[in-house]
Amino acid sequence: SQQGEEDPQALSIQEGENATMNCSYKTSINNLQWYRQNSGRGLVHLILIRSNEREKHSGRLRVTLDTSKKSSSLLITASRAADTASYFCATEGAGSYQLTFGKGTKLSVIP
Amino acid sequence: DSGVTQTPKHLITATGQRVTLRCSPRSGDLSVYWYQQSLDQGLQFLIQYYNGEERAKGNILERFSAQQFPDLHSELNLSSLELGDSALYFCASSVGGGAGNTIYFGEGSWLTVV
Repeated sequence: SQQGEEDPQALSIQEGENATMNCSYKTSINNLQWYRQNSGRGLVHLILIRSNEREKHSGRLRVTLDTSKKSSSLLITASRAADTASYFCATEGAGSYQLTFGKGTKLSVIP
Repeated sequence: DSGVTQTPKHLITATGQRVTLRCSPRSGDLSVYWYQQSLDQGLQFLIQYYNGEERAKGNILERFSAQQFPDLHSELNLSSLELGDSALYFCASSVGGGAGNTIYFGEGSWLTVV
């Protein structure tokens, strides 16, 4: 069963715009991770945010975590056509070593 | 390139058959994970090994089995295959087997059961 649920399921934006994807989850977590997947390819790790962190940055990526609302968001600033991919949030539950993935947000960046 | 190598990349087989998927983790990684990705179920965790020992088990069917060898490579065996087993199977690895590890994914093995 999916722990994380991404929203929206699909997002289409113009190049240069910002893209925001949200993830909600149900149980306590150790950390939350975001991955990118180009069509039919492997998943690429983007960023990990621990349960005691509220915000993290990596290049054009900004991730926030609100454990009281059990939600996270991924912001991609100044998007590029190469950012077109599916983005997944994955949660590592408290006391668990496995990642549970959501169904992903499909992002299309139009040149 | 994540450093995780999976073979074969593509595989077509008939129902009832058995296949073996192979994975070499990144150099130095002790933990190997197997995931299944299908359109209807999304990404499902199957099983994790750490330094040769089973660490965690997810939604792995009894028809499926896995092992991690002393050289740390891993194999996922799928038997009595059904049409519904058609999916992309990912291997992933991490340095440790506990919480907070970054997990690196291979490119996957596409399995088509006909």
